[in-house]
Amino acid sequence: GAGVSQSPRYKVAKRGQDVALRCDPISGHVSLFWYQQALGQGPEFLTYFQNEAQLDKSGLPSDRFFAERPEGSVSTLKIQRTQQEDSAVYLCASSSDRFGGETQYFGPGTRLLVL
Amino acid sequence: QQQVKQSPQSLIVQKGGISIINCAYENTAFDYFPWYQQFPGKGPALLIAIRPDVSEKKEGRFTISFNKSAKQFSLHIMDSQPGDSATYFCAASNSGGGADGLTFGKGTHLIIQP
Repeated sequence: GAGVSQSPRYKVAKRGQDVALRCDPISGHVSLFWYQQALGQGPEFLTYFQNEAQLDKSGLPSDRFFAERPEGSVSTLKIQRTQQEDSAVYLCASSSDRFGGETQYFGPGTRLLVL
Repeated sequence: QQQVKQSPQSLIVQKGGISIINCAYENTAFDYFPWYQQFPGKGPALLIAIRPDVSEKKEGRFTISFNKSAKQFSLHIMDSQPGDSATYFCAASNSGGGADGLTFGKGTHLIIQP
């Protein structure tokens, strides 16, 4: 079956623009995570969904970041008024485990460059 | 506060040799310790994972050694091959305490020389 897919794969935005990043998890996976990976660094947790409920958003760096998963499947990470420091790869992962403690399957990521 | 410390930052190993990457954690609530492999332009892919009830887990050429008292775990790649050249991340999570995602180390860039 298909893995986790993300779109777009690359996004260039001018500073101040809003962007929306999409994640299609593996079908039937309950848990969905968003991570931010800066160049040369490990991924850092942003937020977690169990079905449509956002149970943890403690990793979101500012109130410019917003995520949703309205029907418990596809998720969108939105960044408002982008800043240069938002430039990174945004990874989505899904897991069949209720708490995400088991295998998390990662998508290829969306590389965001803010000019 | 970096909760998972990984070393070395980069590693060069000859083909056929053993690659060893080490990680140390601080949060004693962590109970799931996976290793991920990442190639350029790709997302991380799970390689092998361990829970603290065992001290070692082996899958093919990959072995995790776990020392609960020292709060350390390591990845050993036996008979390293050029195709193993990638960035490796250790990670940890508290799978039973609610969903807080994985905490990753900063990564090790591994190069296997032919």
